[in-house]
Amino acid sequence: GDSVTQKEGLVTLTEGLPVMLNCTYQTIYSNAFLFWYVHYLNESPRLLLKSSTDNKRTEHQGFHATLHKSSSSFHLQKSSAQLSDSALYYCALSDRRLAGNTGKLIFGLGTTLQVQP
Amino acid sequence: EAAVTQSPRSKVAVTGGKVTLSCHQTNNHDYMYWYRQDTGHGLRLIHYSYVADSTEKGDIPDGYKASRPSQENFSLILELASLSQTAVYFCASSDANTGQLYFGEGSKLTVL
Repeated sequence: GDSVTQKEGLVTLTEGLPVMLNCTYQTIYSNAFLFWYVHYLNESPRLLLKSSTDNKRTEHQGFHATLHKSSSSFHLQKSSAQLSDSALYYCALSDRRLAGNTGKLIFGLGTTLQVQP
Repeated sequence: EAAVTQSPRSKVAVTGGKVTLSCHQTNNHDYMYWYRQDTGHGLRLIHYSYVADSTEKGDIPDGYKASRPSQENFSLILELASLSQTAVYFCASSDANTGQLYFGEGSKLTVL
């Protein structure tokens, strides 16, 4: 079945260093969409990024990710971490099997990013 | 701004008791979802619905029922709450055009 793997449960790094959170996926559907959701403490999870076409980079709020279908990956990156980036990050897969453009989202286990001064 | 509201935000229930978590959205979205969040398990889909008066099982439906009486409202029902159902529950609705999920604030359920 479909799955999303986030191999790091916790990433701790110093402010100013680059961020890379890994996300790989498995699906038999060629038309899959990948998402990154961010969950700040005491807030609701919200969308950070959505994949575009194969090998095209998408950016939002200083973060970026590129969908690589050849390696089934959608890693989240940022050039310089800020203290305010500390949160739980989920990678999610939508296979769009349901009606219209909406598909069930399958979430990875999440990666907690802790940015230290 | 999209809005999904959940109630109660926090609840303590006894084992074997009945719990109802409610969700209301003003986004005019057809799809609604209930997820539970547990450390080490991420967000797991319990039930979802794409039209009023109809619900579908998600990935972990055992021990839960769902009800969608209208487009705006979607409830999660635990008929016999168990210790293992202690978790944070999130309701969400989704935009059919983009697939983006809009989450509620979460409901923290503790079963004693």
